[in-house]
Amino acid sequence: DTAVSQTPKYLVTQMGNDKSIKCEQNLGHDTMYWYKQDSKKFLKIMFSYNNKELIINETVPNRFSPKSPDKAHLNLHINSLELGDSAVYFCASSQVAGVTDTQYFGPGTRLTVL
Amino acid sequence: GENVEQHPSTLSVQEGDSAVIKCTYSDSASNYFPWYKQELGKGPQLIIDIRSNVGEKKDQRIAVTLNKTAKHFSLHITETQPEDSAVYFCAASYGTGNQFYFGTGTSLTVIP
Repeated sequence: DTAVSQTPKYLVTQMGNDKSIKCEQNLGHDTMYWYKQDSKKFLKIMFSYNNKELIINETVPNRFSPKSPDKAHLNLHINSLELGDSAVYFCASSQVAGVTDTQYFGPGTRLTVL
Repeated sequence: GENVEQHPSTLSVQEGDSAVIKCTYSDSASNYFPWYKQELGKGPQLIIDIRSNVGEKKDQRIAVTLNKTAKHFSLHITETQPEDSAVYFCAASYGTGNQFYFGTGTSLTVIP
């Protein structure tokens, strides 16, 4: 059973398009995250949601909008894609908000903007 | 915010030798320090973690040490095997948001 899953695994699109990446976790965790990993492998937090509520929102362009329909899902919608958005995006989840706890990562979505 | 530095950025060892990766952090409030292994084309996977009330933790060939005074922690892999080849990330975390601050990664190559 996949703990944290993401779709699609690969996403190739043109500049200016709008795209979404979906994430689901079946671990029963309360908190979910989105990370961006650039070409140098640097991992940076973008957003964190706890029980559908935004708790971390790092400085990312407002073209990026996370949406959490329920605590098992956290989707990432990106408007007006730019070349610099090309990266690998990882979803993660952890059990309990309010304490430092292990985060479990999905397999990643490689986004390429042409 | 927290700043985590990781060294070295690349590391090559002969199979059977030990590998050590070091990280430093800046914020004394950090209290949780996980290590992740990322294989090519996959997401990071937790391999070991340590909390600030513990100085050392071991799991088979992998160990982590933490020096709170000096604000540094290290990953030790003994008897390395080719399948240990991957990128390793350290991280530090504190606070109610469970925000992880990652190091810049170490690409480990184990030469058979």
